[in-house]
Amino acid sequence: GQNIDQPTEMTATEGAIVQINCTYQTSGFNGLFWYQQHAGEAPTFLSYNVLDGLEEKGRFSSFLSRSKGYSYLLLKELQMKDSASYLCAVRDSRDDKIIFGKGTRLHILP
Amino acid sequence: GAGVSQSPRYKVAKRGQDVALRCDPISGHVSLFWYQQALGQGPEFLTYFQNEAQLDKSGLPSDRFFAERPEGSVSTLKIQRTQQEDSAVYLCASSFRRNNGYTFGSGTRLTVV
Repeated sequence: GQNIDQPTEMTATEGAIVQINCTYQTSGFNGLFWYQQHAGEAPTFLSYNVLDGLEEKGRFSSFLSRSKGYSYLLLKELQMKDSASYLCAVRDSRDDKIIFGKGTRLHILP
Repeated sequence: GAGVSQSPRYKVAKRGQDVALRCDPISGHVSLFWYQQALGQGPEFLTYFQNEAQLDKSGLPSDRFFAERPEGSVSTLKIQRTQQEDSAVYLCASSFRRNNGYTFGSGTRLTVV
């Protein structure tokens, strides 16, 4: 089976940097996704890591360590519009299903 | 179409009523997934299609839930004899290839009263 853990809530200040951690245990691993979800809206794709290391995309970066079962999403120069839930999701190599964590609600203070 | 389209956007059903939720994936997307998302939770996997074949339905919570995709494009999730615990947002997602990320629809918010 799979287990994905991420903090329930985090708070950060506009203009600052925040790191959202995700740990996972899985029988078979074939990639890790981060999605952003604003309240009442669909999740939108942010990043995909399948190899170890850091992937940078503008203000957002995602890191993966397969040996540690660990990933983080780094958000820089925070803006009020970044207030949302951030979902960590792992693809199972046995059946290609993507399993989601419960999400981290990020609150941005002015 | 340009995105994944789901209808209706909102549905209120009386307990015991049957409902049908529709998903129009992105044209040409082979894989289609249904998820259930309770308030404040992450999406929970329900079922998965590749073209018209339902490859995995292990997440369907009971035999009251049924999904189909008869021509490999539009999919319908049917819930029979709805219960209050079925109240949730039902998300549909599609992808072009097995190793792609998903594109989600806006979801159907089902409220059972």
